[in-house]
Amino acid sequence: RKEVEQDPGPFNVPEGATVAFNCTYSNSASQSFFWYRQDCRKEPKLLMSVYSSGNEDGRFTAQLNRASQYISLLIRDSKLSDSATYLCVVNEENTDKLIFGTGTRLQVFP
Amino acid sequence: DVKVTQSSRYLVKRTGEKVFLECVQDMDHENMFWYRQDPGLGLRLIYFSYDVKMKEKGDIPEGYSVSREKKERFSLILESASTNQTSMYLCASSPPGSGLGLGTDTQYFGPGTRLTVL
Repeated sequence: RKEVEQDPGPFNVPEGATVAFNCTYSNSASQSFFWYRQDCRKEPKLLMSVYSSGNEDGRFTAQLNRASQYISLLIRDSKLSDSATYLCVVNEENTDKLIFGTGTRLQVFP
Repeated sequence: DVKVTQSSRYLVKRTGEKVFLECVQDMDHENMFWYRQDPGLGLRLIYFSYDVKMKEKGDIPEGYSVSREKKERFSLILESASTNQTSMYLCASSPPGSGLGLGTDTQYFGPGTRLTVL
Protein backbone atom coordinates (compact mmCIF):
# COMPACT_ATOMS: atom_id res chain seq x y z
CA ARG A 1 0.00 0.00 0.00
CA LYS A 2 1.31 3.47 -0.90
CA GLU A 3 1.99 5.76 2.03
CA VAL A 4 0.03 8.62 0.46
CA GLU A 5 -2.65 7.81 -2.10
CA GLN A 6 -4.44 10.15 -4.44
CA ASP A 7 -6.70 9.75 -7.45
CA PRO A 8 -4.48 10.81 -10.38
CA GLY A 9 -7.42 12.27 -12.32
CA PRO A 10 -7.56 14.21 -14.54
CA PHE A 11 -10.50 16.14 -13.21
CA ASN A 12 -11.90 18.21 -16.06
CA VAL A 13 -14.25 20.94 -14.76
CA PRO A 14 -15.79 24.12 -16.20
CA GLU A 15 -14.92 27.53 -14.86
CA GLY A 16 -16.97 28.34 -11.78
CA ALA A 17 -17.37 24.72 -10.70
CA THR A 18 -16.60 23.35 -7.27
CA VAL A 19 -14.17 20.43 -7.20
CA ALA A 20 -12.90 18.26 -4.35
CA PHE A 21 -9.79 16.12 -4.11
CA ASN A 22 -9.21 13.41 -1.56
CA CYS A 23 -6.10 11.78 -0.20
CA THR A 24 -5.46 8.95 2.26
CA TYR A 25 -2.29 8.34 4.23
CA SER A 26 -1.11 5.17 5.92
CA ASN A 27 0.85 6.34 8.99
CA SER A 28 -1.45 7.31 11.84
CA ALA A 29 1.49 9.01 13.60
CA SER A 30 1.93 11.66 10.90
CA GLN A 31 1.57 15.15 12.34
CA SER A 32 2.01 17.59 9.46
CA PHE A 33 -0.18 17.78 6.40
CA PHE A 34 0.02 19.98 3.34
CA TRP A 35 -1.37 20.56 -0.12
CA TYR A 36 1.15 21.62 -2.75
CA ARG A 37 0.42 22.84 -6.24
CA GLN A 38 2.64 21.97 -9.19
CA ASP A 39 2.29 23.59 -12.61
CA CYS A 40 3.51 21.75 -15.69
CA ARG A 41 7.33 21.61 -15.78
CA LYS A 42 7.62 23.71 -12.63
CA GLU A 43 8.53 23.00 -9.04
CA PRO A 44 5.94 22.17 -6.35
CA LYS A 45 4.81 25.15 -4.30
CA LEU A 46 2.98 25.15 -0.99
CA LEU A 47 -0.72 25.84 -1.44
CA MET A 48 -1.75 25.45 2.18
CA SER A 49 -1.07 23.58 5.37
CA VAL A 50 -3.90 21.41 6.72
CA TYR A 51 -4.90 21.74 10.34
CA SER A 52 -7.00 19.44 12.49
CA SER A 53 -9.77 22.02 12.76
CA GLY A 54 -9.86 22.52 9.00
CA ASN A 55 -8.80 25.74 7.36
CA GLU A 56 -9.80 28.03 4.56
CA ASP A 57 -7.84 30.34 2.31
CA GLY A 58 -10.06 32.23 -0.08
CA ARG A 59 -11.63 29.73 -2.47
CA PHE A 60 -9.63 26.83 -1.02
CA THR A 61 -10.70 24.74 1.98
CA ALA A 62 -8.66 21.90 3.48
CA GLN A 63 -9.97 19.29 5.89
CA LEU A 64 -8.23 16.61 7.93
CA ASN A 65 -9.89 13.50 9.35
CA ARG A 66 -7.36 11.78 11.59
CA ALA A 67 -9.64 8.88 12.49
CA SER A 68 -10.00 7.92 8.82
CA GLN A 69 -6.50 9.15 7.85
CA TYR A 70 -8.02 11.24 5.13
CA ILE A 71 -7.27 14.75 3.81
CA SER A 72 -9.38 16.76 1.40
CA LEU A 73 -9.05 19.92 -0.66
CA LEU A 74 -12.09 21.81 -1.91
CA ILE A 75 -11.79 24.46 -4.60
CA ARG A 76 -14.80 26.71 -5.11
CA ASP A 77 -15.50 28.90 -8.15
CA SER A 78 -12.71 27.28 -10.21
CA LYS A 79 -10.57 29.55 -12.38
CA LEU A 80 -8.63 28.65 -15.50
CA SER A 81 -5.48 29.46 -13.53
CA ASP A 82 -6.30 26.67 -11.04
CA SER A 83 -5.32 24.12 -13.72
CA ALA A 84 -2.37 22.26 -12.19
CA THR A 85 -1.43 19.09 -10.33
CA TYR A 86 -2.27 19.07 -6.62
CA LEU A 87 0.03 17.07 -4.36
CA CYS A 88 -1.05 15.71 -0.99
CA VAL A 89 1.87 15.69 1.46
CA VAL A 90 2.34 14.26 4.97
CA ASN A 91 5.39 14.09 7.18
CA GLU A 92 7.24 10.89 8.01
CA GLU A 93 6.90 10.07 11.68
CA ASN A 94 9.57 11.68 13.90
CA THR A 95 11.57 13.09 11.01
CA ASP A 96 11.67 16.27 8.95
CA LYS A 97 11.05 14.27 5.80
CA LEU A 98 7.86 14.68 3.78
CA ILE A 99 6.06 12.01 1.81
CA PHE A 100 4.45 13.19 -1.40
CA GLY A 101 1.47 11.71 -3.16
CA THR A 102 1.74 11.33 -6.92
CA GLY A 103 -0.74 14.14 -7.42
CA THR A 104 -4.19 14.82 -8.81
CA ARG A 105 -4.38 16.69 -12.07
CA LEU A 106 -7.01 19.40 -12.47
CA GLN A 107 -7.94 20.94 -15.81
CA VAL A 108 -10.38 23.86 -15.75
CA PHE A 109 -11.95 24.68 -19.12
CA PRO A 110 -13.79 27.85 -20.27
CA ASP B 1 11.34 36.11 -0.15
CA VAL B 2 12.39 32.49 0.09
CA LYS B 3 14.90 31.45 -2.54
CA VAL B 4 16.26 28.06 -3.58
CA THR B 5 18.34 28.04 -6.74
CA GLN B 6 19.71 25.18 -8.81
CA SER B 7 22.74 25.45 -11.04
CA SER B 8 21.11 24.38 -14.30
CA ARG B 9 17.57 24.16 -15.66
CA TYR B 10 18.51 21.69 -18.40
CA LEU B 11 21.49 19.37 -18.64
CA VAL B 12 22.48 16.75 -21.20
CA LYS B 13 25.20 14.27 -20.31
CA ARG B 14 26.60 11.05 -21.71
CA THR B 15 26.52 7.64 -20.07
CA GLY B 16 29.46 7.23 -17.70
CA GLU B 17 30.04 10.92 -17.11
CA LYS B 18 30.29 12.31 -13.58
CA VAL B 19 27.52 14.84 -13.04
CA PHE B 20 27.28 17.55 -10.38
CA LEU B 21 23.98 19.22 -9.53
CA GLU B 22 24.24 22.21 -7.22
CA CYS B 23 21.60 23.71 -4.96
CA VAL B 24 21.83 26.89 -2.91
CA GLN B 25 19.33 28.31 -0.42
CA ASP B 26 19.39 31.72 1.18
CA MET B 27 17.02 31.05 4.10
CA ASP B 28 19.57 29.68 6.58
CA HIS B 29 17.66 26.39 6.65
CA GLU B 30 19.19 23.40 8.40
CA ASN B 31 17.49 20.76 6.23
CA MET B 32 18.14 20.24 2.54
CA PHE B 33 16.77 17.53 0.27
CA TRP B 34 17.31 16.05 -3.17
CA TYR B 35 14.40 14.41 -5.01
CA ARG B 36 13.83 13.05 -8.43
CA GLN B 37 10.43 13.21 -10.09
CA ASP B 38 9.30 10.82 -12.80
CA PRO B 39 5.87 10.49 -14.45
CA GLY B 40 3.56 8.25 -12.45
CA LEU B 41 6.08 7.86 -9.61
CA GLY B 42 5.88 11.26 -7.98
CA LEU B 43 8.70 12.73 -5.94
CA ARG B 44 11.17 10.24 -4.53
CA LEU B 45 13.74 11.22 -1.94
CA ILE B 46 17.35 10.49 -2.90
CA TYR B 47 19.27 12.01 0.03
CA PHE B 48 18.75 14.57 2.67
CA SER B 49 20.96 16.56 5.02
CA TYR B 50 19.97 18.02 8.37
CA ASP B 51 23.21 19.88 9.03
CA VAL B 52 26.56 20.69 7.50
CA LYS B 53 28.52 17.53 6.70
CA MET B 54 25.55 15.38 7.80
CA LYS B 55 23.62 13.27 5.31
CA GLU B 56 21.09 10.49 5.29
CA LYS B 57 19.99 8.16 2.53
CA GLY B 58 16.50 8.54 1.23
CA ASP B 59 14.44 5.96 -0.62
CA ILE B 60 16.57 5.68 -3.77
CA PRO B 61 20.22 6.57 -3.00
CA GLU B 62 21.83 3.99 -5.31
CA GLY B 63 24.02 5.61 -7.95
CA TYR B 64 24.08 8.97 -6.15
CA SER B 65 26.17 10.71 -3.52
CA VAL B 66 25.88 14.11 -1.87
CA SER B 67 28.04 16.77 -0.32
CA ARG B 68 27.19 19.49 2.17
CA GLU B 69 30.27 21.51 3.08
CA LYS B 70 28.39 24.74 3.75
CA LYS B 71 24.97 25.27 5.25
CA GLU B 72 23.56 27.00 2.19
CA ARG B 73 24.80 24.52 -0.43
CA PHE B 74 23.84 20.89 -1.09
CA SER B 75 25.32 19.06 -4.05
CA LEU B 76 24.07 15.90 -5.72
CA ILE B 77 26.65 13.80 -7.55
CA LEU B 78 26.01 11.11 -10.11
CA GLU B 79 29.27 9.17 -10.04
CA SER B 80 28.72 7.50 -13.41
CA ALA B 81 25.57 8.68 -15.13
CA SER B 82 23.27 6.07 -16.64
CA THR B 83 20.25 6.42 -18.91
CA ASN B 84 17.88 5.41 -16.09
CA GLN B 85 18.96 8.55 -14.24
CA THR B 86 17.28 10.71 -16.85
CA SER B 87 14.78 12.64 -14.75
CA MET B 88 13.73 15.94 -13.20
CA TYR B 89 15.86 16.64 -10.12
CA LEU B 90 14.43 18.89 -7.44
CA CYS B 91 16.21 20.38 -4.47
CA ALA B 92 14.34 21.61 -1.40
CA SER B 93 15.10 23.13 1.98
CA SER B 94 13.26 23.52 5.26
CA PRO B 95 13.87 24.70 8.80
CA PRO B 96 14.13 21.96 11.43
CA GLY B 97 10.97 20.48 12.88
CA SER B 98 10.08 20.68 16.53
CA GLY B 99 11.93 17.45 17.33
CA LEU B 100 9.12 16.57 19.70
CA GLY B 101 7.10 14.46 17.30
CA LEU B 102 4.90 17.46 16.73
CA GLY B 103 5.44 17.67 13.04
CA THR B 104 7.66 19.41 10.59
CA ASP B 105 7.68 22.57 8.54
CA THR B 106 7.01 22.88 4.86
CA GLN B 107 9.73 22.52 2.24
CA TYR B 108 10.68 25.12 -0.36
CA PHE B 109 11.74 23.89 -3.76
CA GLY B 110 14.18 25.07 -6.36
CA PRO B 111 13.09 25.30 -10.03
CA GLY B 112 14.45 21.85 -10.86
CA THR B 113 17.07 20.49 -13.24
CA ARG B 114 15.89 18.38 -16.13
CA LEU B 115 18.73 15.92 -16.75
CA THR B 116 18.96 13.80 -19.86
CA VAL B 117 21.57 11.05 -20.01
CA LEU B 118 22.29 9.77 -23.52
